[in-house]
Amino acid sequence: DGGITQSPKYLFRKEGQNVTLSCEQNLNHDAMYWYRQDPGQGLRLIYYSQIVNDFQKGDIAEGYSVSREKKESFPLTVTSAQKNPTAFYLCASSPGVTGTEAFFGQGTRLTVV
Amino acid sequence: AQKVTQAQTEISVVEKEDVTLDCVYETRDTTYYLFWYKQPPSGELVFLIRRNSFDEQNEISGRYSWNFQKSTSSFNFTITASQVVDSAVYFCALIFSGGYNKLIFGAGTRLAVHP
Repeated sequence: DGGITQSPKYLFRKEGQNVTLSCEQNLNHDAMYWYRQDPGQGLRLIYYSQIVNDFQKGDIAEGYSVSREKKESFPLTVTSAQKNPTAFYLCASSPGVTGTEAFFGQGTRLTVV
Repeated sequence: AQKVTQAQTEISVVEKEDVTLDCVYETRDTTYYLFWYKQPPSGELVFLIRRNSFDEQNEISGRYSWNFQKSTSSFNFTITASQVVDSAVYFCALIFSGGYNKLIFGAGTRLAVHP
């Protein structure tokens, strides 16, 4: 079955810790994205990557970092510099052709304790 | 500026009622793409439809239909004879041609269908 797998589903972080959210896809898509969702709000773009070894900041990149060493994988690190990390994080991928739809994973809910 | 507005925060209907979810977009590009996604309680976003700016033809898929009007910059979504399984958050989104395929989302409309 082709799709996007995010792990873990729930994650708890202590103040001052870095945590990494995993995103893997087997759709052979070139582009991958990370979005953040807060209650009652739409999704906001954190980072995106059009090809391997290249990525760009989105609208709310501060306090986050990513890597794209493999086509299939696009992990997101939430650093201690992110002051309000509690949110729902969604990873997506698309073929990269302009205007094509993105496919989403099931999300990771991060809570600061 | 590129922007998507979903003015309806929450809608509550009784099963079998028809319901329309509104979406208004802003973009200066002549080439753009509009989308609707459904987010059920499980959390993942499910793709429903894509429309490009050159195709104003309305579309019907089962109980779902979409009305795209460039004159009013709107891309509204109607569910006919709603069912409890339609309960979810629905997002309208925009990709503009110079935007590296980044989706710009509206705030979403939470639809509750009661038996």
